[in-house]
Amino acid sequence: KAGVTQTPRYLIKTRGQQVTLSCSPISGHRSVSWYQQTPGQGLQFLFEYFSETQRNKGNFPGRFSGRQFSNSRSEMNVSTLELGDSALYLCASSLESRVSEQYFGPGTRLTVT
Amino acid sequence: GESVGLHLPTLSVQEGDNSIINCAYSNSASDYFIWYKQESGKGPQFIIDIRSNMDKRQGQRVTVLLNKTVKHLSLQIAATQPGDSAVYFCAENTGNQFYFGTGTSLTVIP
Repeated sequence: KAGVTQTPRYLIKTRGQQVTLSCSPISGHRSVSWYQQTPGQGLQFLFEYFSETQRNKGNFPGRFSGRQFSNSRSEMNVSTLELGDSALYLCASSLESRVSEQYFGPGTRLTVT
Repeated sequence: GESVGLHLPTLSVQEGDNSIINCAYSNSASDYFIWYKQESGKGPQFIIDIRSNMDKRQGQRVTVLLNKTVKHLSLQIAATQPGDSAVYFCAENTGNQFYFGTGTSLTVIP
């Protein structure tokens, strides 16, 4: 079974621009969560989608948004990029339950200049 | 917000020795704890989990201990191998979110 895939793997953007990251979960997994990972803050939860609905949201500004499609694929968008948004963005999928084993993708490394 | 801390940012062990990685959590209502391993350039990989109604759980070469009295979680790796070198994270689940620690970097010395 293929793992979680994320595209693109690397991205360089300029302050003020917007970016869209994509995540394809493991086949059959309906829950997709997004995390931001930085050296200083570690892994921080952004949001979780289940059956095309945002089920949970972390403490990030409204510039961070996401969506999930009927095939469980998910995208996250960051508008008006700031230097501090430079991070590794990780997507994780799980079967169904909130409290269940999550499988992470390799991440998208976003650099904002 | 939640606070999940790790006692040591780095840990070096000799190949073949046992490793113990510790983690403190702050929310006594957390009902689920997970250990992840993250190798360079990869996403975190699930190692083992434990529910709050358990004290100990064993996997292949790994054991997780949960002490709810002092809100402490540990991961024990038996017979540590070079392939175990990675950053290890603990995470707690409270209701509907996972909170991660900042990680302990484990280096295995051949």
